[in-house]
Amino acid sequence: EAQVTQNPRYLITVTGKKLTVTCSQNMNHEYMSWYRQDPGLGLRQIYYSMNVEVTDKGDVPEGYKVSRKEKRNFPLILESPSPNQTSLYFCASSSGQAGGLYGYTFGSGTRLTVV
Amino acid sequence: GIQVEQSPPDLILQEGANSTLRCNFSDSVNNLQWFHQNPWGQLINLFYIPSGTKQNGRLSATTVATERYSLLYISSSQTTDSGVYFCAVAGNNRKLIWGLGTSLAVNP
Repeated sequence: EAQVTQNPRYLITVTGKKLTVTCSQNMNHEYMSWYRQDPGLGLRQIYYSMNVEVTDKGDVPEGYKVSRKEKRNFPLILESPSPNQTSLYFCASSSGQAGGLYGYTFGSGTRLTVV
Repeated sequence: GIQVEQSPPDLILQEGANSTLRCNFSDSVNNLQWFHQNPWGQLINLFYIPSGTKQNGRLSATTVATERYSLLYISSSQTTDSGVYFCAVAGNNRKLIWGLGTSLAVNP
C-alpha cells in the first residue's frame, strides 16, 4: 500500500531533550515536506526537500532541522524542543505527474507536547 | 502569494442532508486538493482536482480553474462525515497553501 509513515503518533517530552520524528514514504517520491498545524494558524510548512541532499526552509523553520540522506526518509529533528513547538506535525510527499501536476500524500500526524 | 478562502467556516447538518463547500483561490494553481481531517487529527486525501470534476461515492468535487474556485459536494451526509474539510493549493513552487477549513458537524 502506498503510504507515508510517521512515528511516533504521540509524544510528550521535556524542554531541551532532543527528539526526532521519523517520516518514510514507499512511493519513490522526490518531494517531501513537513508541516505543523496550530489552532487559528492552520497548517504551515516547516521544511521541504526537492530530492536527496536538497532541503530548504519553509515558513516556520526556526528550532527545527531536517536531513534527506535517502529518498524514502525525511526525519524532523528538534535539537532543543521548547513549549512553543507543541503542535500537530504532518509529513507529506509528492511526485511530479504529467503536465507538471501533482498530488500530496500525508502521514497520519504526530501530536507533540513539550512540557 | 496565493490566498485561499473557504466558506462557510462552520456547518451543522442533520444526517441525510446535502451540502456544498466552497474554496476560492487568488491565482492560478498547479495543484488543488480537498482533505478531511477527522476527529483524531488524521488528514484524509479526498480529491486531487486542479481542474474538472471527480466523484467518489457520496462525495464529488468540481474545480473551475479559470474562475479560481472549487466546490466539494457531500450528499446524504452521515455522522462519520463530521470533521474539518480543508482545501489546499500549490503554485509553481509546490508549497501547499491551506484554507482555514470548514468545520462540519453532522447530527444523527
